[in-house]
Amino acid sequence: DQQVKQNSPSLSVQEGRISILNCDYTNSMFDYFLWYKKYPAEGPTFLISISSIKDKNEDGRFTVFLNKSAKHLSLHIVPSQPGDSAVYFCAASAPYGGTSYGKLTFGQGTILTVHP
Amino acid sequence: DGGITQSPKYLFRKEGQNVTLSCEQNLNHDAMYWYRQDPGQGLRLIYYSQIVNDFQKGDIAEGYSVSREKKESFPLTVTSAQKNPTAFYLCASAGQMSDTQYFGPGTRLTVL
Repeated sequence: DQQVKQNSPSLSVQEGRISILNCDYTNSMFDYFLWYKKYPAEGPTFLISISSIKDKNEDGRFTVFLNKSAKHLSLHIVPSQPGDSAVYFCAASAPYGGTSYGKLTFGQGTILTVHP
Repeated sequence: DGGITQSPKYLFRKEGQNVTLSCEQNLNHDAMYWYRQDPGQGLRLIYYSQIVNDFQKGDIAEGYSVSREKKESFPLTVTSAQKNPTAFYLCASAGQMSDTQYFGPGTRLTVL
């Protein structure tokens, strides 16, 4: 049962244009969402997150949008740069045991390639 | 220089041998996690620990064991009972009142 899905295995974008990575989830208990960037043979790097009380969060070139009714979130990268080429994972967390140490459920990842 | 370290970067073992992967953090984080990544797949949770001397099974705990004797350390043992141990193993930690996990560089385990 895949609770977090990234339906696009790959995305190719021209440098300077917008990259839009999508993520869908099924568990309505999820209340915190994160995006990670990962290079091969390295650990994921945290990019940006959003709480379910918001519908948008922005950090520099990265913006995450959350549509709770559609159970959908997206990551926008503007402008895209060749150094952004990596695998992007979305992850979701639900409150666990009354603490904030929620387990993260990850999507399968989307390979982003930004061409010069 | 705070962070999470995992050692070794690459590890080779013969089938049937137990192997222990190291994970150390100096971020003063309470929670620590072990994930496994296979090609073309997302990260799957093996074990996690929210406090010293306590840990819980994740989604794919069979064939693995952990200990949490110190706040800074969360070693993972891949036992001979794990049917497909060859994978990329990632350790993560999170601070109190935070859902954001920070990852180490990973260990590539290959069982020959």
